[in-house]
Amino acid sequence: AQKITQTQPGMFVQEKEAVTLDCTYDTSDQSYGLFWYKQPSSGEMIFLIYQGSYDEQNATEGRYSLNFQKARKSANLVISASQLGDSAMYFCAMREGEDSSYKLIFGSGTRLLVRP
Amino acid sequence: GAVVSQHPSRVICKSGTSVKIECRSLDFQATTMFWYRQFPKQSLMLMATSNEGSKATYEQGVEKDKFLINHASLTLSTLTVTSAHPEDSSFYICSARQPGQGFLLFGSGTRLTVV
Repeated sequence: AQKITQTQPGMFVQEKEAVTLDCTYDTSDQSYGLFWYKQPSSGEMIFLIYQGSYDEQNATEGRYSLNFQKARKSANLVISASQLGDSAMYFCAMREGEDSSYKLIFGSGTRLLVRP
Repeated sequence: GAVVSQHPSRVICKSGTSVKIECRSLDFQATTMFWYRQFPKQSLMLMATSNEGSKATYEQGVEKDKFLINHASLTLSTLTVTSAHPEDSSFYICSARQPGQGFLLFGSGTRLTVV
């Protein structure tokens, strides 16, 4: 079974609008972490935002926020006021348990295209 | 600031030869580094966990004799693709966690093409 599921292979958004990228996860651990990374066409992976399973509030980092719904096992990324530079692949990832080695499992990704 | 540096960024090699990819942690020490592989338009798949001073831990299905990992110091891990074949052509990317931070830093990746 997929541990991390991203159901949107591609998304379009108009510049300056908000967009939500979906992510659902599957784990039996009580302690886990959820991450979003951005991968531009150049290939590097850029960390965007993190949500711990015990965090009661949704994480926010500038224009990025994570809509964490624990009961639904979803961790959607919301990008507000989209910019042309936001066009990229976006990956949701999970770290299970208290593993100090921080091994991450990635979803299949969503390609976001911001239209001017 | 803390950065993961990866070299080379691109390499083309002939079938049957070996290629070494370096991953360095700059401004921090990394006892553990991770090597991922990414095929075009696909996700990152973890290949192995590199442990400083000990053997790497390989994920199921990854041939340890083909993908040799050496983590000889706290700032350097290397991945050697031995006897490379065209099917080994892929994007390889390493990562490490800076102590005190809750996320992984990634290198810029290496695009390997085997001809």
